[in-house]
Amino acid sequence: GESVGLHLPTLSVQEGDNSIINCAYSNSASDYFIWYKQESGKGPQFIIDIRSNMDKRQGQRVTVLLNKTVKHLSLQIAATQPGDSAVYFCAEAGNKLTFGGGTRVLVKP
Amino acid sequence: GAGVSQSPSNKVTEKGKDVELRCDPISGHTALYWYRQSLGQGLEFLIYFQGNSAPDKSGLPSDRFSAERTGGSVSTLTIQRTQQEDSAVYLCASSLQGGETQYFGPGTRLLVL
Repeated sequence: GESVGLHLPTLSVQEGDNSIINCAYSNSASDYFIWYKQESGKGPQFIIDIRSNMDKRQGQRVTVLLNKTVKHLSLQIAATQPGDSAVYFCAEAGNKLTFGGGTRVLVKP
Repeated sequence: GAGVSQSPSNKVTEKGKDVELRCDPISGHTALYWYRQSLGQGLEFLIYFQGNSAPDKSGLPSDRFSAERTGGSVSTLTIQRTQQEDSAVYLCASSLQGGETQYFGPGTRLLVL
């Protein structure tokens, strides 16, 4: 069946460093992926998305990379800030979202 | 409104009682979704509404769970005869069309004692 999973449950990063969050998916037919950020007590917030006809997409301080060969997705956060501390989910988008288990990012001052 | 809103924000109930959770999607969004999130876990799909089509109920965990969407806008998720394992955050999301980016509300935190 379909599944989307994350490699690391917790990522601790020094403020100012870059963060990389990884995600694996199993449905090779998937053509649309989204990264969400969820802060404590809040709903998931859209960060960035990518379609399967792209390998890379950049936003403000964030970059998503898609490797369709190995079915791997990553989110890179440049110059990580304390406000980036949250749980990050990748999701495979169709009529419904299939979410990975989430990675908690802790930013150390 | 500017975003998806949900009410109540918190709900404490006793085992066996019924609860109703409400979702107001973003104006103009035709698709509406309900998810459940247990503490420290990912999101579990419950149900999906798209326009006037029959809803996709494939994620509802039991027949105690039901949802309606009246007038293509507001949705209500009802849990009958609540159990302690129903305790979770219930999240609603909407999107302009099905298959597009979903925008989430803040969730309703349900605690069943």
